[in-house]
Amino acid sequence: DIQMTQSPSSLSASVGDRVTITCRASQSISSYLNWYQQKPGKAPKLLIYAASSLQSGVPSRFSGSGSGTDFTLTISSLQPEDFATYYCQQSYSTLSGTFGQGTRLEIK
Amino acid sequence: QVQLQESGPGLVKPSQTLSLTCTVSGGSISSGSYYWSWIRQPAGKGLEWIGRIYTSGSTNYNPSLKSRVTISVDTSKNQFSLKLSSVTAADTAVYYCAREDSSSWYSLDYWGQGTLVTVSS
Repeated sequence: DIQMTQSPSSLSASVGDRVTITCRASQSISSYLNWYQQKPGKAPKLLIYAASSLQSGVPSRFSGSGSGTDFTLTISSLQPEDFATYYCQQSYSTLSGTFGQGTRLEIK
Repeated sequence: QVQLQESGPGLVKPSQTLSLTCTVSGGSISSGSYYWSWIRQPAGKGLEWIGRIYTSGSTNYNPSLKSRVTISVDTSKNQFSLKLSSVTAADTAVYYCAREDSSSWYSLDYWGQGTLVTVSS
C-alpha cells in the first residue's frame, strides 16, 4: 500500500500569512496527488488535483506543486475562511485512494 | 450541478451489516468517466477510503476492509450502495459518498454531506 505522510499535523498562523503544507508518498505517485479542505461538520472540498491544477471556483491564493514523492500545498495569503483541516490524497493506486492524516490550520 | 445524498440507518448493532445508499442527482450515474466512491471518517479522525465502483460494475476496495465490503450500483435508480458486514464499534463514523473523476486524475470532486452511522447495541 502507498502511505501518505503530511506535515505538520497542526499549524498556527495569522490572517495574511503565507502557509505551506507538505505531503510525502511512500513511493512515486507521479502527479496523482489531490488536496482537500475540510471544515468542521462539513464534507471535504477538492482544492487541487493532479498536484498543481486548481479546481474550478477555488481562489487563486491556493496552489500546489510537486511530483514523484514530495508535494506541497501553499496558501499565499491566509484568509479567515481558510482555517480548516487539509488532507492530501494519492489517486495513483487503483487499489486504494489513500489520504494523509490531515493538517489542522488554526488561527494564531 | 451534481449532488449526492447518503441515506440509511444511523444505528447498527454489532456483528450486523451496515447498509447505505447514495442517490445521485443533477446527472446520470452512467455518463462520463466517473467512479463512485465511499469514504468514512471516525469522529475527530482522518479520512479513510473504503472503495469505489464504476458503472460497469467493476470495483476496487481498501485492502483492510475488502473482506467485509460490497459496493454495488443501480443505474436505473441513479444510486450506488455500500454494505459493510460484521460491524464493530470501530466502524462508527461519518460515511461519505463521492464522485471520482478520471478526467481530473481520479480526484473526488463532488461529495455528499455525510451520514453518521453508530455501531452500538
